Amino acid sequence: NAGVTQTPKFQVLKTGQSMTLQCAQDMNHEYMSWYRQDPGMGLRLIHYSVGAGITDQGEVPNGYNVSRSTTEDFPLRLLSAAPSQTSVYFCASSYGQADSGNTIYFGEGSWLTVV
Amino acid sequence: AQKITQTQPGMFVQEKEAVTLDCTYDTSDQSYGLFWYKQPSSGEMIFLIYQGSYDEQNATEGRYSLNFQKARKSANLVISASQLGDSAMYFCAMRGVEYGNKLVFGAGTILRVKS
Repeated sequence: NAGVTQTPKFQVLKTGQSMTLQCAQDMNHEYMSWYRQDPGMGLRLIHYSVGAGITDQGEVPNGYNVSRSTTEDFPLRLLSAAPSQTSVYFCASSYGQADSGNTIYFGEGSWLTVV
Repeated sequence: AQKITQTQPGMFVQEKEAVTLDCTYDTSDQSYGLFWYKQPSSGEMIFLIYQGSYDEQNATEGRYSLNFQKARKSANLVISASQLGDSAMYFCAMRGVEYGNKLVFGAGTILRVKS
């Protein structure tokens, strides 16, 4: 997972609190994404970005905001945390298009518990 | 819409034997990429192998090979000579233009290697 840094690794939040999960990559990748992982459901896409200033929603965007002011950083904001947002969050980055074979790099994951 | 199906929630294999993890996909794209990732109990996502839709040869990476049958839309992972360290969750994923080059994951298969 060299090159994609996620912080924090663990966080406990109270319902209604807000927080930001940080993601940074130093590989000059165009594509960055946020996923959440829940038991039995694999990884589901929350938001993604194809470059600085460009973001779009994924499969499960409600309750989350993102921005991409630089190529390197792609923070994920929880606006008002809910217990349903208890999950493991992964940030990922890559170059290029779908069939280019470029490896998609993942951060180490952030374990979030909302109580 | 793009979809990945992994029908085996869990698998057991005897150490040193080969095992096949199933993956089928659905897409209307002509150009797409298929990935397999390993997630050990520590949680990180480890890239294993990639197959492009236009690649005529099955991909291989050490003990990992991808049995790509395009007409059947299947991309099974074969692990030869299983080791105890292969015990992990395995995810199949695809990325295609139809879904904006975003990575779509299956629900995963838990593999347990017995000694």
